Amino acid sequence: EAGVAQSPRYKIIEKRQSVAFWCNPISGHATLYWYQQILGQGPKLLIQFQNNGVVDDSQLPKDRFSAERLKGVDSTLKIQPAKLEDSAVYLCACSSWGTHEQYFGPGTRLTVT
Amino acid sequence: KNQVEQSPQSLIILEGKNCTLQCNYTVSPFSNLRWYKQDTGRGPVSLTIMTFSENTKSNGRYTATLDADTKQSSLHITASQLSDSASYICVVSGGGGYQKVTFGTGTKLQVIP
Repeated sequence: EAGVAQSPRYKIIEKRQSVAFWCNPISGHATLYWYQQILGQGPKLLIQFQNNGVVDDSQLPKDRFSAERLKGVDSTLKIQPAKLEDSAVYLCACSSWGTHEQYFGPGTRLTVT
Repeated sequence: KNQVEQSPQSLIILEGKNCTLQCNYTVSPFSNLRWYKQDTGRGPVSLTIMTFSENTKSNGRYTATLDADTKQSSLHITASQLSDSASYICVVSGGGGYQKVTFGTGTKLQVIP
């Protein structure tokens, strides 16, 4: 079974620029999560999809962050414009229907200068 | 408020020694508890998962315990190896909402020769 793929692995941008991250979950896993993990902290849920519908986006800074999951498979997370405090690792995870076991991708490390 | 607290925040042990990491949670209703290992620069990988009725689960040199009455869990690592150096994150599912999870901030373990 292939794992969760994310790209890019690393990204450096200047503040006020835009950036997008891509995630390809495990085939058949209906639930997809985006997390933000700041250095030294645990992951913080940004948004949760069930197929292509949003289940929870209560902690997503909607003035600058957006995410979509077209066709219920791949997902993209966008930040526009980026701030210094957005520097973090962005993790994508997925789980299959009815389970709580989450499988994580390698993450994208974002540095905002 | 759903919370997961871990202790210690960081730990340094000698190779070959044992150690125990702690996790206290206030998530209710409780569904399950997982311990993840996160190597530097990688996404978390699941070590163990326990439901309400399970009070111990082993995975090689890792043994997790759960006391659902006191809402405490521990992860015991036996005969530590250098490759055990990582962050260990306690994750609790439940607390209302579809497949809602709460992450602890993790314990950073360093095993030295």
